[in-house]
Amino acid sequence: LAKTTQPISMDSYEGQEVNITCSHNNIATNDYITWYQQFPSQGPRFIIQGYKTKVTNEVASLFIPADRKSSTLSLPRVSLSDTAVYYCLVGDQYSSASKIIFGSGTRLSIRP
Amino acid sequence: GAVVSQHPSWVICKSGTSVKIECRSLDFQATTMFWYRQFPKQSLMLMATSNEGSKATYEQGVEKDKFLINHASLTLSTLTVTSAHPEDSSFYICSARDRRGTTPYGYTFGSGTRLTVV
Repeated sequence: LAKTTQPISMDSYEGQEVNITCSHNNIATNDYITWYQQFPSQGPRFIIQGYKTKVTNEVASLFIPADRKSSTLSLPRVSLSDTAVYYCLVGDQYSSASKIIFGSGTRLSIRP
Repeated sequence: GAVVSQHPSWVICKSGTSVKIECRSLDFQATTMFWYRQFPKQSLMLMATSNEGSKATYEQGVEKDKFLINHASLTLSTLTVTSAHPEDSSFYICSARDRRGTTPYGYTFGSGTRLTVV
């Protein structure tokens, strides 16, 4: 299983763009990169998933360099409601033997 | 999209009693479900993996006789905390993997159960 490393915490202000980088040096060929958001006392919620290059949806963008050893979650124009813990996960979602191991996550705090 | 329902959302029980937590996949069949435990300000810790119709696989350090997992159908897995003690108080979260493996996200998480043992 690919181990992930993220900053423990980050602070930003409303309206700013926030970029959270995750390192996954031993990512395997079949592994996808998935980011989840978790609010207190709630289960993780899917944000975005990618395999390579760039993926964008209505809430975020995910940038993955060619070597796939890292990835960056980009949150445009954050608001107070984006204060949460963000987890970067790496795994083969199509393998029945695959399981999700959570790293420490990044605690993002947004200030007015 | 895929939805996982977890029940109850919170429970308070007396020390020494047992508590059952249910995890249901509402609109898909889940061959595999995962159970996590999360303490305050900490990350999710994988407790066990359950596969429909077979015994659960527990992570190292998790007592299988204390945390009983049953995955009797493709849509339901249960976690029973037996003889609960205050140190078992935690936030328990389940996750399910779509049988088809075709959902874009792969895994969907329940909303969690806050267990407090008094």
